[in-house]
Amino acid sequence: DAGVIQSPRHEVTEMGQEVTLRCKPISGHDYLFWYRQTMMRGLELLIYFNNNVPIDDSGMPEDRFSAKMPNASFSTLKIQPSEPRDSAVYFCASTKDSYEQYFGPGTRLTVT
Amino acid sequence: GQSLEQPSEVTAVEGAIVQINCTYQTSGFYGLSWYQQHDGGAPTFLSYNALDGLEETGRFSSFLSRSDSYGYLLLQELQMKDSASYFCAVVSGGYNKLIFGAGTRLAVHP
Repeated sequence: DAGVIQSPRHEVTEMGQEVTLRCKPISGHDYLFWYRQTMMRGLELLIYFNNNVPIDDSGMPEDRFSAKMPNASFSTLKIQPSEPRDSAVYFCASTKDSYEQYFGPGTRLTVT
Repeated sequence: GQSLEQPSEVTAVEGAIVQINCTYQTSGFYGLSWYQQHDGGAPTFLSYNALDGLEETGRFSSFLSRSDSYGYLLLQELQMKDSASYFCAVVSGGYNKLIFGAGTRLAVHP
């Protein structure tokens, strides 16, 4: 299996621009999670889906952040407009009704 | 609220044994997981404890005491490649929701 795929791996953008991060979970996995990792705040759960339905978005920092999962093989995390404090590594993870989550390689976002 | 505490850094030598402790306060506790993350890499799953006791997987073992809200990860026969950050994570509520601790950075020296 290819594992969880994320794109882009690196993104540098200017403040105010829209950023879209993409994730393809492992085939057959029915849970998908978006995390953000920073030195200050550690690894934070932003939102997660079960069978393409958002279950808990309480970790989404503010309305500038949105996530969608239009089908079982694709999810996006969008930031609009982006701010320097959004700079972080964003991970996507998936699992099939298990406590073992499989993480993608992450997207390193830098907002200048 | 929910909180997890683990040491920020641990140092050990090759071949030694190291224990990384984790205490937690949370509601809706289902179990405790451990993840390893090398610099620049993604977290990878190590273990999960739902019940009290010790779970062993090769050189790594994980322990849970639900009554004490406490767990630990035990790494034996340390190798240089074990130098990484180790995160405890509470499985809280349903749907496999993970709440991560701040992580413990383990440095293994020759």
